[in-house]
Parts: sequence; structure tokens; C-alpha cells
Amino acid sequence: AQSVTQLGSHVSVSEGALVLLRCNYSSSVPPYLFWYVQYPNQGLQLLLKYTTGATLVKGINGFEAEFKKSETSFHLTKPSAHMSDAAEYFCAVSALPNTGNQFYFGTGTSLTVIP
Amino acid sequence: DGGITQSPKYLFRKEGQNVTLSCEQNLNHDAMYWYRQDPGQGLRLIYYSQIVNDFQKGDIAEGYSVSREKKESFPLTVTSAQKNPTAFYLCASSIVAGSGSDTQYFGPGTRLTVL
Repeated sequence: AQSVTQLGSHVSVSEGALVLLRCNYSSSVPPYLFWYVQYPNQGLQLLLKYTTGATLVKGINGFEAEFKKSETSFHLTKPSAHMSDAAEYFCAVSALPNTGNQFYFGTGTSLTVIP
Repeated sequence: DGGITQSPKYLFRKEGQNVTLSCEQNLNHDAMYWYRQDPGQGLRLIYYSQIVNDFQKGDIAEGYSVSREKKESFPLTVTSAQKNPTAFYLCASSIVAGSGSDTQYFGPGTRLTVL
């Protein structure tokens, strides 16, 4: 079975500071991992994803994440926070064998950026 | 522009009523999904469909029903049997069902409130 744990339901950082959002996964097979961002009352937008190959994945808006198999982690980082980064962030895992490309989402981390 | 549309954006329902949420995509995607989002619980899968005229239950299907008569459409009916339907509902689609690595693209959501 697959599952995702996001440590910290709320994270606050100062504008210009490092953003680190944590995601740990559980999977019996090699996982596919995703980070999504959600702004209030909107749908989810893909930030980045890891499927195979390079373990450091770069995404949109300056975000990146590193797949660490030994730590079962896929933490999201951004070197310098902007006010526009304030949103809810979701980590998701999709792993075979499963049916229908089912994703398992974490409970989300709300990011606040302090001016 | 290609994308996923959901309507209405806001929906109010009286107790005991059935309501139907619309989801349409023009991305030519095979698979479509319905998720429910509650504060602090992330996204939970209600139903998914890999192909026209076929669909499977997700983790929380009780009190919901779907149909997939056309590739581009996947409406969700919230029935009176759903005990606590107030939530934010998100529709998603992906290119190929069962691939695992395919990104799910999300619509803007429908917020359902039971009066």
C-alpha cells in the first residue's frame, strides 16, 4: 500500500528565506512522486514530479525536490521565498501495482510568507 | 485552450436533495477522477474512470454516483445518502490510465454547501 506523510500542517517563513516542505512516502514498489500547489478556492497545479532518472527534480516557480530512496523522502525546497508562494502544498505518490493511476495525497502544508 | 472545467463553482443543497456536479475536459485524456477535499484531510478519491462506460469506486464512494457516457465528461452526483456532503470537490484527468507516472490535471473545483 502507498501513503504519504507531510510533516507540519503549517509552515511560516520570512520573505527571502529558504522554504522547506517535508514529504515522506511509503511504498512497496518504486514510487512516482508529485508536488502540487493550491491557491485558495482553486484547483491543484503541478509543481514538479519524479518518475525515473535524476533524483533532483526542478519545477516551476523556482521549486525543486530531491528523491531520497534511503530516507523515503521527497522534500520540496525553494532558496528564497516570495510573497506569491503563500499557498497550500500537497505531496502525492502513485505507484504500481495499482489500478487507474490512483494518487495518494498527503494532508497538505499551508505555507505563510511573512513580509 | 485545453483544460478542465467544473460547474458550478458554488452549489447549495438542501438536505435530502441530490445534486450533480459537472466536469468536462478537452484534453483528450482517457482517465478522469473525482476527489473530495476537506480541511486538514487532503484529497480523497471518490470515483475514477479509465475508459468510457467504465468506472471504479475510490476510497469514499458511499453516497456518490458517476457516469462516463462520453470521453470528455464525468459528472458526479451527490445523493441524499451522503451523510456529510459539504466539501470542496475536485475533478482531474490524466492521459493514460494505469501508467502511474502520468500527471493528473485538475479543474478549478466546486464548493458544495448543504443548508
